[in-house]
Amino acid sequence: AQTVTQSQPEMSVQEAETVTLSCTYDTSESNYYLFWYKQPPSRQMILVIRQEAYKQQNATENRFSVNFQKAAKSFSLKISDSQLGDTAMYFCASYLAQGAQKLVFGQGTRLTINP
Amino acid sequence: SAVISQKPSRDICQRGTSLTIQCQVDSQVTMMFWYRQQPGQSLTLIATANQGSEATYESGFVIDKFPISRPNLTFSTLTVSNMSPEDSSIYLCSVAASVNTGELFFGEGSRLTVL
Repeated sequence: AQTVTQSQPEMSVQEAETVTLSCTYDTSESNYYLFWYKQPPSRQMILVIRQEAYKQQNATENRFSVNFQKAAKSFSLKISDSQLGDTAMYFCASYLAQGAQKLVFGQGTRLTINP
Repeated sequence: SAVISQKPSRDICQRGTSLTIQCQVDSQVTMMFWYRQQPGQSLTLIATANQGSEATYESGFVIDKFPISRPNLTFSTLTVSNMSPEDSSIYLCSVAASVNTGELFFGEGSRLTVL
């Protein structure tokens, strides 16, 4: 089975602070990809960051970075110097390169950045 | 990246009626995906639509309820049939940014409210 779990339904931080969103996943496959997607209020879903399971190095995209712990099946997202525009729903997702080949999403974390 | 346009962006429908959602992509794509996002919930894959073949439905979704057309490589429709209030959701069209990694581009979604 391919499952993704986000245990933080909501989070709130002050602007400029650093925030970490948690995600755990479960798969028996070895070839997979992990993603964080952002869904701003009333706007479309966009990709934040991607991690290939075969890469040991954690992915980074400007203020966004991940902590990929493969053995623990953990994939957290860190947002540094948070901005008001970071306010959104954040979804963790996994994709198996073989087998099901579909993107499976976690429940989402609603992040609010306060001024 | 792909530009994905969905119509309608939102609609209010009466119980028992059917509504067809259109998805137009600005480039030719092999695979298109339809997701449902119920209020406050995560995204659930309804079906995968490949041009020239029948759509592949996920467990819990059937063709009679969610018929899909895929007449060419840039267009697809999803019909929500015989609607009930439980069908009130955002329906999202997406296309594969990469068939290898599972990364998706999303449309802005169609928000349906069934009374």
